[in-house]
Amino acid sequence: GAVVSQHPSRVICKSGTSVKIECRSLDFQATTMFWYRQFPKKSLMLMATSNEGSKATYEQGVEKDKFLINHASLTLSTLTVTSAHPEDSSFYICSARGREPGQGYNEQFFGPGTRLTVL
Amino acid sequence: GENVEQHPSTLSVQEGDSAVIKCTYSDSASNYFPWYKQELGKRPQLIIDIRSNVGEKKDQRIAVTLNKTAKHFSLHITETQPEDSAVYFCAARPFMKTSYDKVIFGPGTSLSVIP
Repeated sequence: GAVVSQHPSRVICKSGTSVKIECRSLDFQATTMFWYRQFPKKSLMLMATSNEGSKATYEQGVEKDKFLINHASLTLSTLTVTSAHPEDSSFYICSARGREPGQGYNEQFFGPGTRLTVL
Repeated sequence: GENVEQHPSTLSVQEGDSAVIKCTYSDSASNYFPWYKQELGKRPQLIIDIRSNVGEKKDQRIAVTLNKTAKHFSLHITETQPEDSAVYFCAARPFMKTSYDKVIFGPGTSLSVIP
């Protein structure tokens, strides 16, 4: 099946620093990438949606200056948490929408997630 | 926008029994309904999906039903096994002509299968 990778898998940082998370589609071109955050024992909350080469569309309540999204190519999107604070600690999951080799339709494939802890 | 509700939030069943999880959605334009299984600390895994032109779909011990009129869809797991224990999310995807067809998740059901 289609593979989406995320890096890093885990990061611990000090309050006030910025953290960049990468999301890559390894064997397909992602027409759209999504970023979610998930608190413990909670559902996945969509933060933003982006197409390659376009500005991301943020969900209501998500600060675009806080969570910078860059979708530079059809296989790479990055999420930068700027000036991170303890309340930003969460599990961040990306997903990429694209066509798995051999399939005739698009599906959404999830990355393994990045656990961010801000001290 | 789309809103997905899910019940129950927790479910315990004896091994071998069936488990049913029910979801409702609000946007009549939604036309794709995937179900995901998420184990602790792992990514969500798609286990089955159904499109709005189909009322029922089955894959071995897992089945999903869809009632478009009532905006209900359900997941049925038969002959449950301990490895079925996980959090299950239903989701809905509104149809949009652009590629911004985001998937909206329900709040999740924590399923425990007791050996």
